[in-house]
Amino acid sequence: SQTIHQWPATLVQPVGSPLSLECTVEGTSNPNLYWYRQAAGRGLQLLFYSVGIGQISSEVPQNLSASRPQDRQFILSSKKLLLSDSGFYLCAWSVVGNTEAFFGQGTRLTVV
Amino acid sequence: KQEVTQIPAALSVPEGENLVLNCSFTDSAIYNLQWFRQDPGKGLTSLLLIQSSQREQTSGRLNASLDKSSGRSTLYIAASQPGDSATYLCARCEPSEKLVFGKGTKLTVNP
Repeated sequence: SQTIHQWPATLVQPVGSPLSLECTVEGTSNPNLYWYRQAAGRGLQLLFYSVGIGQISSEVPQNLSASRPQDRQFILSSKKLLLSDSGFYLCAWSVVGNTEAFFGQGTRLTVV
Repeated sequence: KQEVTQIPAALSVPEGENLVLNCSFTDSAIYNLQWFRQDPGKGLTSLLLIQSSQREQTSGRLNASLDKSSGRSTLYIAASQPGDSATYLCARCEPSEKLVFGKGTKLTVNP
């Protein structure tokens, strides 16, 4: 069966520090991968999605970047965090052509 | 811009009541529609997926319907239980395989 792992679960980082959140999927090949952010009182905002290794689409201009170094690994990064980067970050995957999405447990990021 | 709207934003009901959560979207040309549940501080759990060629899906006490012509989907929960308390999110799936979410309905079922 397929599983998705996302870590860490919580993170407190100072302004200006770097960020790296990792997401891996097991039990499937060539999944679509997604990073979402959920801010208080707002819906889920799609940040990045990837349909294959090295293929990253960015939905909104921001202080973040994403990479997909391996088929089932998706990384969210920042060189210098801003206070506005605080939020709940969720990784998700879907099978190409199916679009039923499955989510990780999320990372609560607080930038102080 | 394609949007997804969920009404109401919050709902409180007594245990045992049947209830309906609403989701509307601005573009009827969707790929499919998915309902999720989110518990506080947790990720999203997929509840039901309705393909664009389907009109409804059922799982246990949950039934989701899709009316593309009117741009609406409903999630029906029968005989609600306190354990159903959570935020329910709908998402329209685009042909590009992106998901666009509503802001959710926060449901509280009181014992």
